[in-house]
Amino acid sequence: GENVEQHPSTLSVQEGDSAVIKCTYSDSASNYFPWYKQELGKRPQLIIDIRSNVGEKKDQRIAVTLNKTAKHFSLHITETQPEDSAVYFCAAARSFSSGSARQLTFGSGTQLTVLP
Amino acid sequence: ETGVTQTPRHLVMGMTNKKSLKCEQHLGHNAMYWYKQSAKKPLELMFVYSLEERVENNSVPSRFSPECPNSSHLFLHLHTLQPEDSALYLCASSQAGGNSGANVLTFGAGSRLTVL
Repeated sequence: GENVEQHPSTLSVQEGDSAVIKCTYSDSASNYFPWYKQELGKRPQLIIDIRSNVGEKKDQRIAVTLNKTAKHFSLHITETQPEDSAVYFCAAARSFSSGSARQLTFGSGTQLTVLP
Repeated sequence: ETGVTQTPRHLVMGMTNKKSLKCEQHLGHNAMYWYKQSAKKPLELMFVYSLEERVENNSVPSRFSPECPNSSHLFLHLHTLQPEDSALYLCASSQAGGNSGANVLTFGAGSRLTVL
């Protein structure tokens, strides 16, 4: 099955600096890579995702890059703000054989703290 | 009520009790999931119901039993649990199948379970 490794487990940055979180995956059949943000006491929410047919995607201060050959993908947050403080989870997914729901395998999470 | 709703939000039970967690989604999705979230561990997929397919993680003990009577409701029946089963149980839903843009998970707020 799929195995997703996520690093670092904790990350502290000064407000305004950039933050980078990295993940590696093992299953070459994985073709969908979402990132979820979970604030303290709240549910995980999708912040950005990327599919295997592109190498980079941006959404304002957030970007994700994918290297299929090396089987790793990264989340980049620029101009960090205190409200970016949360746990971030990466995930990798492939379709079930029936083509229905994808099975997401999550990384262990990164606790990001943005210091004011 | 919109989104994905889970009840109860908190549950304390003894090892000999039988209880159930309930999840309801109001998004018109056709796939529902149970995830287990333990401290400092990856989100662990327990069960998926999607279209005509049920997928389960083979490592999930039989003391957890899912039920999905229709595409909007999902239950997790709990029986003779162990203290190590204490965790946050997250329900999620998605629109599965066809469009590769599908399968974004929407999570519920979770049911915090404590087994004494």
